[in-house]
Amino acid sequence: GQSLEQPSEVTAVEGAIVQINCTYQTSGFYGLSWYQQHDGGAPTFLSYNALDGLEETGRFSSFLSRSDSYGYLLLQELQMKDSASYFCAMNSGGYQKVTFGTGTKLQVIP
Amino acid sequence: DTGVSQDPRHKITKRGQNVTFRCDPISEHNRLYWYRQTLGQGPEFLTYFQNEAQLEKSRLLSDRFSAERPKGSFSTLEIQRTEQGDSAMYLCASSQTGELFFGEGSRLTVL
Repeated sequence: GQSLEQPSEVTAVEGAIVQINCTYQTSGFYGLSWYQQHDGGAPTFLSYNALDGLEETGRFSSFLSRSDSYGYLLLQELQMKDSASYFCAMNSGGYQKVTFGTGTKLQVIP
Repeated sequence: DTGVSQDPRHKITKRGQNVTFRCDPISEHNRLYWYRQTLGQGPEFLTYFQNEAQLEKSRLLSDRFSAERPKGSFSTLEIQRTEQGDSAMYLCASSQTGELFFGEGSRLTVL
C-alpha cells in the first residue's frame, strides 16, 4: 500500500529553523511534494523533489533520499505567518497519483 | 480568475439525500483530483482523471460515490444517500506537471 508518516505537531520560535520529517512507503514512486495549509484555507504547493538532494526556494528547502524513503521540509527564519499545517505528499504511478500524509501542525511562537 | 473553482462552497443536506459538487479546473490542466478532508486530517484521495479517463478510485469509497469528467474539462462528484459520516470538506485540484492547484473546497454537512 501507500503510506506517509510525519509528526503531528511541532512548535518553534520565531526566527528559528524547523525541520519536518516525512517517511513513506509506496510502489511506483515518482517524487515527494510539500504543501502548506492555513486554517480554513486550501493546500498550496511549496516544493517538489523527484531526485535525491536538496531543493531550495527562498526560506523553504526540501530534501529527498529515495534509498531511505525519507524526506524533510526545512523552514528557516520562521515567521508567525508560517504557523500552518504542512503535508508531505507522494507522486506515484505514471499518471502522478498524489497521496497525502496526515500533516504536521506547526506553531510558531514569539 | 483562472484558478480552480468549486461549487457550491457550502452544502447542508439531510441524511439520505443526494448531493453533487462541481469543479472547474485550470483550463490547460489535464489531470483533475478529488480529495476529502476532515478536521485535523490530511486530504484523503478519492479519485483522479487524466483528461476524461478516470484512472483510479479509492477502495475506501463506497458505491454511493461517483465522479465524472465528461469532456475532460469540468468534473462532478456525486454522493448518493448521504450519511452523517460523509460530512467533510471536498477538495478538487488540477495539475499539468505534478504540482496540484486546489480549489477552495465544498463543505458538506449532513444532518
